[in-house]
Amino acid sequence: DTEVTQTPKHLVMGMTNKKSLKCEQHMGHRAMYWYKQKAKKPPELMFVYSYEKLSINESVPSRFSPECPNSSLLNLHLHALQPEDSALYLCASSQVLRLNEKLFFGSGTQLSVL
Amino acid sequence: DAKTTQPPSMDCAEGRAANLPCNHSTISGNEYVYWYRQIHSQGPQYIIHGLKNNETNEMASLIITEDRKSSTLILPHATLRDTAVYYCIVRVASVGTGANSKLTFGKGITLSVRP
Repeated sequence: DTEVTQTPKHLVMGMTNKKSLKCEQHMGHRAMYWYKQKAKKPPELMFVYSYEKLSINESVPSRFSPECPNSSLLNLHLHALQPEDSALYLCASSQVLRLNEKLFFGSGTQLSVL
Repeated sequence: DAKTTQPPSMDCAEGRAANLPCNHSTISGNEYVYWYRQIHSQGPQYIIHGLKNNETNEMASLIITEDRKSSTLILPHATLRDTAVYYCIVRVASVGTGANSKLTFGKGITLSVRP
């Protein structure tokens, strides 16, 4: 199994809603990542977890709250988002947090904030 | 991470080799060159990486110049399914966490394979 599974595939939410994005992998990887991708732009790193601990936070606003409850699961909790937060949210994993490791990406969650 | 420069787009005929260039003139001696691609509506996909020597796998070949200031990704027999955005990335090759462990995407090159 070399898949990173993201749910839901599509999400529409209002600015006052609370929602969560979910990411799962069963490759035994110990590093997991959240990226944000606006239309026609490259992915931008948001968060990195290593061994279930937050390792990198790219100065992301607090309305985005990541959580890594175990080594297979990564969540992104969303609260009070703005329309400009509409984007494709990509999850990725790698064996460990090391520079010559390949990242495996999910297909993403397309988020629309109304 | 060293900056990379890629042309915005290119096309090639199906069945022919696609040669995708990348300039990384400020690359340091311990930085790897990575290539990922992103097919429309999908997440990025790892293709290949290398440090100094040329590399080949089942997907592609990576040719790195001797001075390491540029590289070329070669898809030997392009198909319509290879139409995608291809990202050339350089990363510091050191074990550890923190800033050195980020994979930072540039603008990429859009490859269009025509029938």
